[in-house]
Amino acid sequence: SQKIEQNSEALNIQEGKTATLTCNYTNYSPAYLQWYRQDPGRGPVFLLLIRENEKEKRKERLKVTFDTTLKQSLFHITASQPADSATYLCALGSNTGTASKLTFGTGTRLQVTL
Amino acid sequence: DTAVSQTPKYLVTQMGNDKSIKCEQNLGHDTMYWYKQDSKKFLKIMFSYNNKELIINETVPNRFSPKSPDKAHLNLHINSLELGDSAVYFCASRGLAGPGGELFFGEGSRLTVL
Repeated sequence: SQKIEQNSEALNIQEGKTATLTCNYTNYSPAYLQWYRQDPGRGPVFLLLIRENEKEKRKERLKVTFDTTLKQSLFHITASQPADSATYLCALGSNTGTASKLTFGTGTRLQVTL
Repeated sequence: DTAVSQTPKYLVTQMGNDKSIKCEQNLGHDTMYWYKQDSKKFLKIMFSYNNKELIINETVPNRFSPKSPDKAHLNLHINSLELGDSAVYFCASRGLAGPGGELFFGEGSRLTVL
């Protein structure tokens, strides 16, 4: 069966360091992958999209890599700040005409301390 | 101006009751979704509508019935509520018809069944 796995344990890092979050998947061939941020009591907010034919994408302090051979995506936040503390969700996308479906991982909680 | 709005934000009810959650988006998007997030924070797709037509229907009990009166609205009605229905229900919309379109989520509706 399809599985999307993210670090279930919270990731604690010091301010200014680079946070690296992992998303691994099995029995899945996604057309694209997205990362979302979710704060407590709020809905997820889109951060980045990377397609299956792309290796890396950047946006300000964020970087995403996508390795379809390893079936893995890495999400990096450089120069992390306490405001980056949140849960980060990866989501794999498949397309069937208009029925584009996003399947989410369980998320990794990031805590950035001073 | 809230892009995707859900009501109510909180809902506490007894087992066996029927309840509805409403969702509206003002983004002009064609596709809307309902997701369920359980206590372990796992976000699972339930339904998707494209321009009032049901296009994704995951394995969800018949007690759950979505209704889309127009493409800006997607409501969720739940009959005979059970304890296991307690969760946060998120509505989302997507504008891009092709692959990769990001989802815009509402703030969630927390349903507690006693």
